[in-house]
Amino acid sequence: RKEVEQDPGPFNVPEGATVAFNCTYSNSASQSFFWYRQDCRKEPKLLMSVYSSGNEDGRFTAQLNRASQYISLLIRDSKLSDSATYLCVVNTNAGKSTFGDGTTLTVKP
Amino acid sequence: EPEVTQTPSHQVTQMGQEVILRCVPISNHLYFYWYRQILGQKVEFLVSFYNNEISEKSEIFDDQFSVERPDGSNFTLKIRSTKLEDSAMYFCASRGLAGRGDTQYFGPGTRLTVL
Repeated sequence: RKEVEQDPGPFNVPEGATVAFNCTYSNSASQSFFWYRQDCRKEPKLLMSVYSSGNEDGRFTAQLNRASQYISLLIRDSKLSDSATYLCVVNTNAGKSTFGDGTTLTVKP
Repeated sequence: EPEVTQTPSHQVTQMGQEVILRCVPISNHLYFYWYRQILGQKVEFLVSFYNNEISEKSEIFDDQFSVERPDGSNFTLKIRSTKLEDSAMYFCASRGLAGRGDTQYFGPGTRLTVL
């Protein structure tokens, strides 16, 4: 089983759609959780940290369920500029970061 | 806004040669990381570094790899004898202790091509 597993995708959605990405992790000792986005041939950029209480940043909402070891990202009212690969990242306290394979989103006009 | 920088942006080398990839982390950061991403594949953790020593490393980070922080600003990744399969994008990242906590900030990457 992969340490961090994401929806395989790709997701192709029209502008304005709501799309949800799921991620599960296997290491119960994981301490912190993030969603990054990566554009083609660029570095990963932090989208948002993920907290147990859930957090929202504009059109983006992230949720963490520690009991189920599950993380989600919801994007509302998707824009063309949201087209990217979304990476689920899980950190241990020892400083190791594990990335999921990524889920590719294409938003079409 | 402070950022992580990496040089060179693209390095081409012959198999068996040594390469050194350079990174300048954000100035007040204390934790440093190297990752690699083979074209079309996922980002893979290589190593984390804190207080002048390796804190965690992956199976990929074998004896051919080493890291150094030679002068308090640069953070380098050395590959002693490159192999074709080392061809990848190498990302450096750094994070600080306070403020945004665990958030890692990535540099733009060095594309390594081994011929």
